[in-house]
Amino acid sequence: DMKVTQMPRYLIKRMGENVLLECGQDMSHETMYWYRQDPGLGLQLIYISYDVDSNSEGDIPKGYRVSRKKREHFSLILDSAKTNQTSVYFCASSLSGQGATEVFFGKGTRLTVV
Amino acid sequence: GDSVTQTEGQVALSEEDFLTIHCNYSASGYPALFWYVQYPGEGPQFLFRASRDKEKGSSRGFEATYNKEATSFHLQKASVQESDSAVYYCALSALNYAQGLTFGLGTRVSVFP
Repeated sequence: DMKVTQMPRYLIKRMGENVLLECGQDMSHETMYWYRQDPGLGLQLIYISYDVDSNSEGDIPKGYRVSRKKREHFSLILDSAKTNQTSVYFCASSLSGQGATEVFFGKGTRLTVV
Repeated sequence: GDSVTQTEGQVALSEEDFLTIHCNYSASGYPALFWYVQYPGEGPQFLFRASRDKEKGSSRGFEATYNKEATSFHLQKASVQESDSAVYYCALSALNYAQGLTFGLGTRVSVFP
């Protein structure tokens, strides 16, 4: 079954705490992504990973870092979370990062920073 | 940078109505164009794509034609059903390098019986 799995689905953290969002895919896809979705702003790319230990900043990387040590896993880390990082975070993957490739999304993690 | 503009933020329709969502793009190169659909509690799901001028993409009764001259990729469906209620996103991606998808802000479609 082709899917992208995100854990946890819901998370509440206090300001200043560290946050780890985890993502896995079972399709052996090379490329993985982290997006955040906010009302009025749509989906914005945080980071893109082309393969293990090959990551690149997206449009809004500030305040985030990522880790990809295995092709099937891609983690998003917030060091010292801020209230403006409250959002829904989507992990995604695709066979390659180029052009017309279909991108598969997980169900999202709703993060609330209080 | 690249951008996607969806004209309609919300659309309300009755079943069997005709749906049009307007999508225009701005890109430095020659992008691939996509439509994604998102249901409540889910991530966006691929609907279809087109990667060259005048190519038509289609799926589940939805269709759109790549128009390079007009920089458009408008979504249409002839007869909507209540199950088509969702948020629809137009998106683009560069054809020859990996940059991820650039999304429009989305259009919420509500279909009433």
